Amino acid sequence: GESVGLHLPTLSVQEGDNSIINCAYSNSASDYFIWYKQESGKGPQFIIDIRSNMDKRQGQRVTVLLNKTVKHLSLQIAATQPGDSAVYFCAEAASGYSTLTFGKGTMLLVSP
Amino acid sequence: GAGVSQSPSNKVTEKGKDVELRCDPISGHTALYWYRQSLGQGLEFLIYFQGNSAPDKSGLPSDRFSAERTGGSVSTLTIQRTQQEDSAVYLCASRPIAGGTTGELFFGEGSRLTVL
Repeated sequence: GESVGLHLPTLSVQEGDNSIINCAYSNSASDYFIWYKQESGKGPQFIIDIRSNMDKRQGQRVTVLLNKTVKHLSLQIAATQPGDSAVYFCAEAASGYSTLTFGKGTMLLVSP
Repeated sequence: GAGVSQSPSNKVTEKGKDVELRCDPISGHTALYWYRQSLGQGLEFLIYFQGNSAPDKSGLPSDRFSAERTGGSVSTLTIQRTQQEDSAVYLCASRPIAGGTTGELFFGEGSRLTVL
């Protein structure tokens, strides 16, 4: 079936480095792609989203890139901080957001 | 508080018992979702409510699972005859259909269910 998955289960970086978290999706009908951050013991928190008619979107210290040709999504975090340590999920949705399909997540570990 | 509230935060039950999990969405949010998260796994969609429309129950894993949303606000997820494989964190999220950031679901902190 259609699915969203992640390439790397764990990413370890040093404070101040730039981090890149990758995600592959398989549903070509998806219209929105979203990144969530989940800290231990908490619910996921929205970071940024991108629509399928875009290939890049920037937020505060984060950039999401979408490559529809290879069905690949990435989240770039600039100047990674210890507070960025969390599990990051990509998700996809069809137009209207009736449901979001989440990937399994990548754990980001930031060392001081 | 202004966030999504879930209760109980932790529930330990014996196999075969029924459990009810409650979700209070953010006031004014018309869409409400239930997801399940098993240890080290992603989020598994269970059910979606939108206003007065019929809920999307396509994610419910078996007929032991059901959910209601009364008055377009509070929702209750019921699991009957619980099994050990039901052990997970059950997450509720809400979203305003009108306004808000596209794609942004507001999640509660979840109800951790342990079935012994």
